[in-house]
Amino acid sequence: DAGITQSPRYKITETGRQVTLMCHQTWSHSYMFWYRQDLGHGLRLIYYSAAADITDKGEVPDGYVVSRSKTENFPLTLESATRSQTSVYFCASTSGTGEQYFGPGTRLTVT
Amino acid sequence: DQQVKQNSPSLSVQEGRISILNCDYTNSMFDYFLWYKKYPAEGPTFLISISSIKDKNEDGRFTVFLNKSAKHLSLHIVPSQPGDSAVYFCAASLPSGTYKYIFGTGTRLKVLA
Repeated sequence: DAGITQSPRYKITETGRQVTLMCHQTWSHSYMFWYRQDLGHGLRLIYYSAAADITDKGEVPDGYVVSRSKTENFPLTLESATRSQTSVYFCASTSGTGEQYFGPGTRLTVT
Repeated sequence: DQQVKQNSPSLSVQEGRISILNCDYTNSMFDYFLWYKKYPAEGPTFLISISSIKDKNEDGRFTVFLNKSAKHLSLHIVPSQPGDSAVYFCAASLPSGTYKYIFGTGTRLKVLA
């Protein structure tokens, strides 16, 4: 499918488990981003990537790890999930024209 | 410290009337502003943007106004339609070339038929 996709769409995991959220885009956009959406906080940037093998921290990076070996993929890993990481996660990409294109989101619940 | 603020969590407007959504920011270095619309269980979608060198940008029913001296941004929707009911986020970016945005907390708009 063309565009930006995320998987899984829903995930329930236990505290302490490692979880990886996947993001795939078909536009060959250089820039990719991970956000989390929480009530009262809007969208907060976790990590971003300007190109393959180039990543940098956003506002709330603690507890998360990213990698970008290929332009089209930008996985986000929670190394040891905590309840505070229960959230809706959005991946986005842009070619550099300004607007970002968002995926449909992954709703993660940590029990 | 919230650099981009949307102080109204919700807004209700009658169909056909004007909807005005507001956004305030604190960093005068922001040079690009955007509005996104978000429906439940979907990702945000881009609506309209404005550069800091402009004070108005229009696209159909949507107009964004920028008042740099007041550090204030507003989105006008005229006329409002029931399909406009969604959460609206404003976002701002710095001239760093990284395209990192700082988002507001969102305003839920409900257009009443």
